[in-house]
Amino acid sequence: EDKVVQSPLSLVVHEGDTVTLNCSYEVTNFRSLLWYKQEKKAPTFLFMLTSSGIEKKSGRLSSILDKKELFSILNITATQTGDSAVYLCAALTFGQNFVFGPGTRLSVLP
Amino acid sequence: SQTIHQWPATLVQPVGSPLSLECTVEGTSNPNLYWYRQAAGRGLQLLFYSVGIGQISSEVPQNLSASRPQDRQFILSSKKLLLSDSGFYLCAWMNLREDYGYTFGSGTRLTVV
Repeated sequence: EDKVVQSPLSLVVHEGDTVTLNCSYEVTNFRSLLWYKQEKKAPTFLFMLTSSGIEKKSGRLSSILDKKELFSILNITATQTGDSAVYLCAALTFGQNFVFGPGTRLSVLP
Repeated sequence: SQTIHQWPATLVQPVGSPLSLECTVEGTSNPNLYWYRQAAGRGLQLLFYSVGIGQISSEVPQNLSASRPQDRQFILSSKKLLLSDSGFYLCAWMNLREDYGYTFGSGTRLTVV
């Protein structure tokens, strides 16, 4: 059965801290790994990773995929209170099926 | 540009009442559309997906049904709601051509009382 595991499930940090969120997957016909940020409502897209070892960056956020070890990490540097959200990891298959992880709830305290 | 609309945003319904949640997409044709439910701490669970008018695939057996009456319209329904149907429902459109994967609607918070 396809599955995506995220850790930690919950994390509390202070502003300025750097955090690393983990995502591991066991998915048949894996195509890509996606990260989403969900604040109060709909998840918003952060990154799509298809190739191993190539870091994607957007401001203070960065992510990388390891297709050999079947995991991805999402790094957030110099965290701000606006980074507080649930971060979802999802594996996309070639059959266009998504398998979502349970999410990591990040709380950034001032 | 492509947009996805979902309504209502919040719904409180009594047990045994019917349900209809609507999702529409603009700016694209023949989209792949999806209904997800999100339970606290459990991530997103795929309920239904549709690759075209009248084509519905169900991922999990349950008290819900879906319909695709028009190319850009996807409806989630129930004849009689159960308490366990409470949750956050998301409609999504898949666009793999722009490296965005899913675009999600704004979600509906359903509380069955």
